[in-house]
Amino acid sequence: DTAVSQTPKYLVTQMGNDKSIKCEQNLGHDTMYWYKQDSKKFLKIMFSYNNKELIINETVPNRFSPKSPDKAHLNLHINSLELGDSAVYFCASSQDRRGSLTTDTQYFGPGTRLTVL
Amino acid sequence: QQPVQSPQAVILREGEDAVINCSSSKALYSVHWYRQKHGEAPVFLMILLKGGEQKGHEKISASFNEKKQQSSLYLTASQLSYSGTYFCGSGSGNTGKLIFGQGTTLQVKP
Repeated sequence: DTAVSQTPKYLVTQMGNDKSIKCEQNLGHDTMYWYKQDSKKFLKIMFSYNNKELIINETVPNRFSPKSPDKAHLNLHINSLELGDSAVYFCASSQDRRGSLTTDTQYFGPGTRLTVL
Repeated sequence: QQPVQSPQAVILREGEDAVINCSSSKALYSVHWYRQKHGEAPVFLMILLKGGEQKGHEKISASFNEKKQQSSLYLTASQLSYSGTYFCGSGSGNTGKLIFGQGTTLQVKP
């Protein structure tokens, strides 16, 4: 069974379009994340949800909107796609609970390679 | 602030050793090491929570010097399967936020 899954694996779209990426984890974890990895492999946190509550909201254009319908799912919707949005987007999850003094191991999904033409 | 890793890239022959360093200008509360193979997701290697802690996983081990705000990853008798990009992550409590270094690309040749 896949622990953290994402769909789609590849996404090719035109500038200006709106697209969504879905993520699901079956690990029973409380926290989920979205990361963006650019062409230089720089892995940057975008958002984090703990039990459906937004915890981390980094400096990301407001065209990006995460949504967590339940603690096992975290989706990412992107409006008005731009060329610079091309990257690999990784979803991850961890057992982290609010107020915990340590950061738990994060388990990454396979990634979604987004190409904006 | 992003941890800084060194070297940026290293090429080894099978059986050789390598050290990857990770340093931060801010206090490191925990250090997480991941390896990412080309086209794949980052995979967890180990986490160090306390200064002075050392951990090992087969021939890969790491140390954490809290005072110096540094961690090092040691790869001993490298194998072809060790090839990939290694990331250190600086962890902070409360939010689970991990800030990753820029990565070190390791290539092991036969």
